[in-house]
Amino acid sequence: DTGVSQNPRHKITKRGQNVTFRCDPISEHNRLYWYRQTLGQGPEFLTYFQNEAQLEKSRLLSDRFSAERPKGSFSTLEIQRTEQGDSAMYLCASSHRGTSQETQYFGPGTRLLVL
Amino acid sequence: QKEVEQNSGPLSVPEGAIASLNCTYSDRGSQSFFWYRQYSGKSPELIMSIYSNGDKEDGRFTAQLNKASQYVSLLIRDSQPSDSATYLCAVNMGSGGYNKLIFGAGTRLAVHP
Repeated sequence: DTGVSQNPRHKITKRGQNVTFRCDPISEHNRLYWYRQTLGQGPEFLTYFQNEAQLEKSRLLSDRFSAERPKGSFSTLEIQRTEQGDSAMYLCASSHRGTSQETQYFGPGTRLLVL
Repeated sequence: QKEVEQNSGPLSVPEGAIASLNCTYSDRGSQSFFWYRQYSGKSPELIMSIYSNGDKEDGRFTAQLNKASQYVSLLIRDSQPSDSATYLCAVNMGSGGYNKLIFGAGTRLAVHP
């Protein structure tokens, strides 16, 4: 399978715990995006990487959230001191740098439940 | 005002009919527009993209764009029960040379036999 992969697919944690998600983009894609989706809403942009550089962070990304993309390959999204409001589907997407017409391809997502 | 607006539905159509999904957006400078389909519990999958005013057809799907009216639509001809899903309209509002997709909340489509 050469699509975007995400791990784990599901995560249940207790409030206050730290969690980390991983995204492996399509191999030739140099752009990587993280989104968050809650029930009944569309995905919301969180952050964007071009290669290893994090070029934009949404104001939705509080100080408890951190994302990295070492060496411009896979990316991790960490949430510290989780809160119940963090429960959501976390989606990763990748694309290849081109024009504004480039297409983002989504991974299967990681569903987080904070108890 | 939300940046990308869609009717939440559900939009219910009989099998074989045309389903019409609509989307309006606030950023007049947006240049690229995307329709994604999302089945329950799954991630979004791209159906179509459109960049120029007018119609773009791909199989049973037709996307329509009117930048002057800031309006995008998706028509699904010969609707099938397998088309039942949430359809997400996404607009590129990135200003730094990359795609920053802003999504609507989605329209739930139900195709009944």
